[in-house]
Amino acid sequence: DIQMTQSPSSVSASVGGRVTISCRASQGIGTFLAWYQQKPGKAPKLLVYLASVLQSGVPSRFSGSGSGTDFTLTISSLQPEDFAIYYCQQANSFPLTFGPGTKVDIK
Amino acid sequence: EVQLVESGGGLVLPGGSLRLSCPASGFIFSSQWMTWVRQAPGKGLEWVANINQDGSDKYYADSVRGRFTVSRDNAKNSLYLQMNSLRDEDTAMYYCATYSDSGGWFDPWGQGTLVTVSS
Repeated sequence: DIQMTQSPSSVSASVGGRVTISCRASQGIGTFLAWYQQKPGKAPKLLVYLASVLQSGVPSRFSGSGSGTDFTLTISSLQPEDFAIYYCQQANSFPLTFGPGTKVDIK
Repeated sequence: EVQLVESGGGLVLPGGSLRLSCPASGFIFSSQWMTWVRQAPGKGLEWVANINQDGSDKYYADSVRGRFTVSRDNAKNSLYLQMNSLRDEDTAMYYCATYSDSGGWFDPWGQGTLVTVSS
């Protein structure tokens, strides 16, 4: 099975600040990686797929990059509505696996 | 508008069974892979099962294989998860979602249904 790790596990940032979240796969997955945002009491929401493709309707302040084993989600200018937990997910092979999540909260 | 509305969750004794349903609308259900993902209280996301368009291909997480069965009824635009031999550790919010077989992402998701396994 492919193991996914994320760092940091939590980050505090100010509105307008820049946040970078890392995701690492235990083996190469090409660009078969997705990022999700989850707010309390809500279902996850797809932000990025195929490592760098922004889902329709997602603000351009979100961006994804990477390939192989190392990936990054960047929020360029944090907005109040961005405070949430972010998960990466590998889609290279079954079983599909998620990272443990990164909590972004207000500094 | 795409809609997925899970139902069937509730409180069940260890060893018991439950069947979750996820009727879909707003897209061509029979053309889409589907998936179940769960989230234990306060924990992260765990993929549970996938099923292809006609139900002939299924994949399961090791943690549920042999106990859970994913199925679909394309005539009713509905996805199901039959859960048997339930354990305490199956307690979670269960989400259904569409699965892209071209890239492996889940979108959109339903609102979830809560399954609690407890004596």
